[in-house]
Amino acid sequence: DTGVSQDPRHKITKRGQNVTFRCDPISEHNRLYWYRQTLGQGPEFLTYFQNEAQLEKSRLLSDRFSAERPKGSFSTLEIQRTEQGDSAMYLCASSLGVNTEAFFGQGTRLTVV
Amino acid sequence: AQRVTQPEKLLSVFKGAPVELKCNYSYSGSPELFWYVQYSRQRLQLLLRHISRESIKGFTADLNKGETSFHLKKPFAQEEDSAMYYCATLGAGNQFYFGTGTSLTVIP
Repeated sequence: DTGVSQDPRHKITKRGQNVTFRCDPISEHNRLYWYRQTLGQGPEFLTYFQNEAQLEKSRLLSDRFSAERPKGSFSTLEIQRTEQGDSAMYLCASSLGVNTEAFFGQGTRLTVV
Repeated sequence: AQRVTQPEKLLSVFKGAPVELKCNYSYSGSPELFWYVQYSRQRLQLLLRHISRESIKGFTADLNKGETSFHLKKPFAQEEDSAMYYCATLGAGNQFYFGTGTSLTVIP
């Protein structure tokens, strides 16, 4: 599968624990995006990278959230001190540039208990 | 700020009937609008974008600037069209801003 891949697909964690998700974009894509989707809502934009530079962060991304894309390839999204409200599907997408189609991964479903 | 609104959370139609999924936008400039679809257990994927003005899987969407709408239409619904549909607009950084989605069920 040469599409966007995310790992893990599911994560259950206790409140207060830290979690890290990984996204591998399509190899030649220089833009990478993170979204969050809760039940009954559409995906909400969190942040995006162009190569290794993080260019925009949504106000939804509290200081407990951090994202990196160290070499402009894969990206990680870390949530520190998880809360029950962080339970959601976390989606990653990548694109070749501006005004090109974004391809989505299958997401990581986080459940905080 | 760009916003899209999908007023219907659920929509059911019979197979062979016309279907229209509504999307309204609020945007001060020239919007770039898209429809994304998510079939059961599959990833979100692009269905169509307004600038291409093409028909995908029998679906079309016309940008109506007067009504600020970008409704998705298909003249004859098929069972395989049952899915979640999201209208979206594009931000300056190529990030999408999605509506809340409409779940379409096509009844056999």
